[in-house]
Amino acid sequence: AQTVTQSQPEMSVQEAETVTLSCTYDTSESDYYLFWYKQPPSRQMILVIRQEAYKQQNATENRFSVNFQKAAKSFSLKISDSQLGDAAMYFCAYRTGANNLFFGTGTRLTVIP
Amino acid sequence: DTGVSQDPRHKITKRGQNVTFRCDPISEHNRLYWYRQTLGQGPEFLTYFQNEAQLEKSRLLSDRFSAERPKGSFSTLEIQRTEQGDSAMYLCASRGQREKGEQFFGPGTRLTVL
Repeated sequence: AQTVTQSQPEMSVQEAETVTLSCTYDTSESDYYLFWYKQPPSRQMILVIRQEAYKQQNATENRFSVNFQKAAKSFSLKISDSQLGDAAMYFCAYRTGANNLFFGTGTRLTVIP
Repeated sequence: DTGVSQDPRHKITKRGQNVTFRCDPISEHNRLYWYRQTLGQGPEFLTYFQNEAQLEKSRLLSDRFSAERPKGSFSTLEIQRTEQGDSAMYLCASRGQREKGEQFFGPGTRLTVL
């Protein structure tokens, strides 16, 4: 069974600093996709970044980047130059093919001015 | 606004009543997903449609839950004889045909069962 584990229920970061959110997953599949989603308070979930498992290169999207370690089944998210608008719940998620997403329990990120 | 929409945004009901939620996906998306999210947890998969066909159902979807997507466009999720444990946020997401396509989420329907 696929499981996604986020071991940090809460994290905080000073504005303009860098923070890393951790995620590990368990799967027997070789081809899959990993995602980080952001859910601001009372707002809908949006995709932050996506990683295809067959790609060795780590995905980057502006201030957001991942450290994908396939053998270790680790998928951490790094947020650089943190901004107040980055404060939210962050969910790591996994899926294979056209199937549904499996989510972790989330990390609440607080950005301190 | 061409994103995923859900109606109602909030629903308060008494235990034992039936409730129905609606999801309107992004128009060109043929895949539609329902998730349930309880406080402090990540979303959990309930069911998945490709066009009008319901292809997968989670074991979380008890007999009291039913979902439809009659014309492959909007979808409804009905909960019969609601229980307090059904209180949660119900999220809908849609996705297009591309293998790498992301799921776009709606704002959710927050259900409170008294």
